[in-house]
Amino acid sequence: DGGITQSPKYLFRKEGQNVTLSCEQNLNHDAMYWYRQDPGQGLRLIYYSQIVNDFQKGDIAEGYSVSREKKESFPLTVTSAQKNPTAFYLCASSSQAGTSAKNIQYFGAGTRLSVL
Amino acid sequence: AQKITQTQPGMFVQEKEAVTLDCTYDTSDQSYGLFWYKQPSSGEMIFLIYQGSYDEQNATEGRYSLNFQKARKSANLVISASQLGDSAMYFCAMVFYGNNRLAFGKGNQVVVIP
Repeated sequence: DGGITQSPKYLFRKEGQNVTLSCEQNLNHDAMYWYRQDPGQGLRLIYYSQIVNDFQKGDIAEGYSVSREKKESFPLTVTSAQKNPTAFYLCASSSQAGTSAKNIQYFGAGTRLSVL
Repeated sequence: AQKITQTQPGMFVQEKEAVTLDCTYDTSDQSYGLFWYKQPSSGEMIFLIYQGSYDEQNATEGRYSLNFQKARKSANLVISASQLGDSAMYFCAMVFYGNNRLAFGKGNQVVVIP
């Protein structure tokens, strides 16, 4: 099955702890993204990557870090510096890296992160 | 900066009826793309339909159509013959040519009643 897999579905973080959210895609897409969604809100971009070993900050990158060592994987680490991490996190990918406005992003099922 | 506005309160629609979801956007650029996504209670964002700013015809995908009025900067989604499975949040989003960054509105809640 082609698609985007996010794990875990639910995640709990203790005070001062770093946690990592997994995102894997087998669509052979070049670009990958991380979004945060708070209740009653749209999505906000955290980080994105258009190519392996390269990534850019989005609108709310503070307290987060990413890596892109493989084309199919784009893990997100929520660090202890992120003081309000409780949210729904969505990963997406797209085939084109900024070459067209018709750059459809496809999403995973999301990870719900809560603070203990 | 891009701004997407979706201001309708939650909507109830009778099964088999059509529903229109409003979306307006603010930009001075000429080249951009508009998207609609559906988010059911499970949380996944599902791509529905795309409209390019230079497309002369309104986009259609099955029961979904996009009423694109460029001069008014609006991109309303029309869902025809509503089904119970259409109950979800619907998000309008926008991207500029050469820029991967999708900007999302706050969404419209739709509940389809039998």
